[in-house]
Amino acid sequence: NAGVTQTPKFQVLKTGQSMTLQCAQDMNHEYMSWYRQDPGMGLRLIHYSVGAGITDQGEVPNGYNVSRSTTEDFPLRLLSAAPSQTSVYFCASSAGTGMRGELFFGEGSRLTVL
Amino acid sequence: EDKVVQSPLSLVVHEGDTVTLNCSYEVTNFRSLLWYKQEKKAPTFLFMLTSSGIEKKSGRLSSILDKKELFSILNITATQTGDSAVYLCAAAGAGSYQLTFGKGTKLSVIP
Repeated sequence: NAGVTQTPKFQVLKTGQSMTLQCAQDMNHEYMSWYRQDPGMGLRLIHYSVGAGITDQGEVPNGYNVSRSTTEDFPLRLLSAAPSQTSVYFCASSAGTGMRGELFFGEGSRLTVL
Repeated sequence: EDKVVQSPLSLVVHEGDTVTLNCSYEVTNFRSLLWYKQEKKAPTFLFMLTSSGIEKKSGRLSSILDKKELFSILNITATQTGDSAVYLCAAAGAGSYQLTFGKGTKLSVIP
């Protein structure tokens, strides 16, 4: 099983550029989410989705957009990248629509904004 | 605002030592506490605890939850170099779609 797949694994952007981080899961999970991980800050929730067509904001949503057109895919869009968005991004999914079980994480996407 | 605090933030031990990692939480309508291990890449699931006083075990790792005092501990006995990692604690509230993570404890096991 592939589990949660993120692409790209590494990306360098210039300030102001836009890009999309892709996330796909093959476990038929309803719940999907995006976290960012910064040194000394732990994992912080950006956006999440409890099913196709439903998204909501997490703790640090500013500068990011998401959509959920299918159960499998949950892309994260940076509209105008800023150096403060330099981070490691993790996509995670879970069975059911609430936090009733473990989160399965992708391997992460390291983004550097110059 | 929900909060999860882990201590210590880092720890260096010798192989064979026993370690205890701490996690305290303040979460509205607490439902569950989870422990993850993070090596180079993605966090991997260790335990989920929902009931107070019931120990979960997996090999040399064990964890217990105290819902009265709002904390959990993760014990690792007979540590090995392969236990070197960041251990993350996270808590979820009933009806919430968010996991609140602590900052992690970085464990280094030296031969």
